[in-house]
Amino acid sequence: ETGVTQTPRHLVMGMTNKKSLKCEQHLGHNAMYWYKQSAKKPLELMFVYNFKEQTENNSVPSRFSPECPNSSHLFLHLHTLQPEDSALYLCASSQDSATSGTNEQFFGPGTRLTVL
Amino acid sequence: RKEVEQDPGPFNVPEGATVAFNCTYSNSASQSFFWYRQDCRKEPKLLMSVYSSGNEDGRFTAQLNRASQYISLLIRDSKLSDSATYLCVVNLGRRALTFGSGTRLQVQP
Repeated sequence: ETGVTQTPRHLVMGMTNKKSLKCEQHLGHNAMYWYKQSAKKPLELMFVYNFKEQTENNSVPSRFSPECPNSSHLFLHLHTLQPEDSALYLCASSQDSATSGTNEQFFGPGTRLTVL
Repeated sequence: RKEVEQDPGPFNVPEGATVAFNCTYSNSASQSFFWYRQDCRKEPKLLMSVYSSGNEDGRFTAQLNRASQYISLLIRDSKLSDSATYLCVVNLGRRALTFGSGTRLQVQP
């Protein structure tokens, strides 16, 4: 596998379900990100991890819980979501911006989430 | 005021046309700048970085004006395959990228 992979690609869940999104990067990067993309809106940053440590939480509701066990894997645990949480969830990775300078990000294909 | 503003379009142009997109950003501390391309129902992909001196990559030219906080992308000799949404993106250093809403381009035969 190369690049950034995400599973599942599509997910439908009820408001009482618990599910997890998985992201894996094979690029040797040490920063990973979760973004949310809703229709007609720009990508919204949710969480940032540098070297497995969370460095940014962009006021995301607690029903979204990230986990980064190592620099290559990132999870987003979901519970008691609302219908307005339906969106495309994108994972990205980059070299740590302090060392790379440009912080070019590489995105996974996303998980299209529908909350019923 | 939005951090990154773009004209949403759509821009409908014939093949072979030249088209220009503009973008403004609000934070003068922004350090790096990019254009990403996003095809329908796909993830964004880096098209090109934008440098103060301007840079060109084939049919694509990007310009940055720090004084006016303005970024542009010029596409010459448009191809059908250029149809996509073009995202203007800025970076405030250690923070993650800030994306504009995107400008949709439709190149018609």
